[in-house]
Amino acid sequence: EPEVTQTPSHQVTQMGQEVILRCVPISNHLYFYWYRQILGQKVEFLVSFYNNEISEKSEIFDDQFSVERPDGSNFTLKIRSTKLEDSAMYFCASRRDSSPGANVLTFGAGSRLTVL
Amino acid sequence: AQRVTQPEKLLSVFKGAPVELKCNYSYSGSPELFWYVQYSRQRLQLLLRHISRESIKGFTADLNKGETSFHLKKPFAQEEDSAMYYCALGSTGANSKLTFGKGITLSVRP
Repeated sequence: EPEVTQTPSHQVTQMGQEVILRCVPISNHLYFYWYRQILGQKVEFLVSFYNNEISEKSEIFDDQFSVERPDGSNFTLKIRSTKLEDSAMYFCASRRDSSPGANVLTFGAGSRLTVL
Repeated sequence: AQRVTQPEKLLSVFKGAPVELKCNYSYSGSPELFWYVQYSRQRLQLLLRHISRESIKGFTADLNKGETSFHLKKPFAQEEDSAMYYCALGSTGANSKLTFGKGITLSVRP
């Protein structure tokens, strides 16, 4: 069964450093998402991406965050200058298309980010 | 605005007991409701969705638009059902996204 792949599984970084989290969505999927889950809290929507542009972003997704699909397979989340409160599990997800019945997100295993 | 409420954080039952995990939603459009499950150290995975109207691993959930609820039920819990369960609301259209509830930990004791 196809999977969404995320790397790294865990990254530890110093406050103020840049971090790039990588995702390889399922190959025939067209819609891509990043979610995050702070320890003990709920899964929160960050951003959705379609046709090489951001479709929607939450208020969490401020100027420190950016997403990119550089080569047609990878989908990256960059945090420009990490803060302590960015420590969380970051989930990538993808969806095939917007037709009825295809509105199911497949999630990756997550990348745990720890900011010291 | 989309909102999903899971009022309880933890449900602990003995094996063989019935389970009901509550979920209420708020959405002005036509909702799509899902239950996702996260077993220990595993990824979030789809358990079931309301439009399928199927039973997965003995779990069922019925969308009640009058009560804006989508409670997850299983008549006889098994130890392997122990996991974190998230109710999610999907908006419709091209910019569809999922809004998750806070999740509930189900613990099934032997």
